[in-house]
Amino acid sequence: GENVEQHPSTLSVQEGDSAVIKCTYSDSASNYFPWYKQELGKGPQLIIDIRSNVGEKKDQRIAVTLNKTAKHFSLHITETQPEDSAVYFCAARGNRGSTLGRLYFGRGTQLTVWP
Amino acid sequence: DGGITQSPKYLFRKEGQNVTLSCEQNLNHDAMYWYRQDPGQGLRLIYYSQIVNDFQKGDIAEGYSVSREKKESFPLTVTSAQKNPTAFYLCASSDGQGGRGYTFGSGTRLTVV
Repeated sequence: GENVEQHPSTLSVQEGDSAVIKCTYSDSASNYFPWYKQELGKGPQLIIDIRSNVGEKKDQRIAVTLNKTAKHFSLHITETQPEDSAVYFCAARGNRGSTLGRLYFGRGTQLTVWP
Repeated sequence: DGGITQSPKYLFRKEGQNVTLSCEQNLNHDAMYWYRQDPGQGLRLIYYSQIVNDFQKGDIAEGYSVSREKKESFPLTVTSAQKNPTAFYLCASSDGQGGRGYTFGSGTRLTVV
């Protein structure tokens, strides 16, 4: 099946700085890459996603880039705010055989934004 | 509003007892999933179901059981065979092969004493 690696596992930034989280995936057939934000004690919420036919997508302060050749994708948060503090998960969706439709998650990044 | 509901939010059980966690969705999604989350372990897949009356084991199915008798419901039973059941359990649903990934519930924190 698919294998997703996520780095770093923890990230601390000053308010107003940028934060970048990186993920790699193993199966070139994967075609959809969502990012989730999980606040303490809650379920993950989708914040942005990108499909394999697109290289970059932006939504206000967050953006995601995808490099299909290298099989990696990244989340960029600009002008960080304390409320951005959470655990962020990347995922890749399988697109063949028994992996079809299933999301494979990275292990998460704990982002802390200091005021 | 459409969504996915997990209940209860907190659950306490004595060691050796079976316990069932509820997951209901009104999103008309075909697929449903159960994940276990432990500190530093990310999301680990327990069971998933892509259609009613069918389900598959995930990566850590031992000690758990599920049923999918209705499209809207996917209950998870944590049996006495699960050696370390204390964890945060998340249910999710999706429309299957396409769409925008998963919608997650708010989770159930199970503590076994």
